[in-house]
Amino acid sequence: EAGVTQFPSHSVIEKGQTVTLRCDPISGHDNLYWYRRVMGKEIKFLLHFVKESKQDESGMPNNRFLAERTGGTYSTLKVQPAELEDSGVYFCASGASGYSYNEQFFGPGTRLTVL
Amino acid sequence: GNSVTQMEGPVTLSEEAFLTINCTYTATGYPSLFWYVQYPGEGLQLLLKATKADDKGSNKGFEATYRKETTSFHLEKGSVQVSDSAVYFCALSYTTGTASKLTFGTGTRLQVTL
Repeated sequence: EAGVTQFPSHSVIEKGQTVTLRCDPISGHDNLYWYRRVMGKEIKFLLHFVKESKQDESGMPNNRFLAERTGGTYSTLKVQPAELEDSGVYFCASGASGYSYNEQFFGPGTRLTVL
Repeated sequence: GNSVTQMEGPVTLSEEAFLTINCTYTATGYPSLFWYVQYPGEGLQLLLKATKADDKGSNKGFEATYRKETTSFHLEKGSVQVSDSAVYFCALSYTTGTASKLTFGTGTRLQVTL
């Protein structure tokens, strides 16, 4: 079974440009999460989808970030316009549904560098 | 709010040395606690977890015990190997009801040398 995949693995853009990150979760996983690690600091939660709906978007830093999850499958995270402080590693994770704890499976991350 | 504090790295050890990575947390109620590991070039992997006080999580020779009285979840391994070189993240989550977000510490880089 394929794991969580993310594309691209690395992106370098100029300040003010737009970048779109993509995450393909494990097939059948209703829960999809985005996290970000900036400059070696802690990994911070951005938002959580359940199927196509945003369950919790309390971690989104500002309105330059837009996340979507088309048809409850893959998800995109768009940053427009990008700022220097957006540089970091963006992780996606997916998990199955259920009352008890379901492990979050992480992708390898997308390293975003804004110059 | 909830938070996780880990010891600063990097930690450099010789092979077969004893490892401790400290982790303490601040949270309301009864969170579940986790250790994730990130090997070079890979995504985070769940290493072990504990869902209630006094539980001990263990995997691949690593252990951590959920200590509510000290709000700690320290990671230990009796004899590290070069292949254990990675970044280790302590995290917490509330695991009742709808699946919820993880709150992570800053990560501790472990380098094991021959």
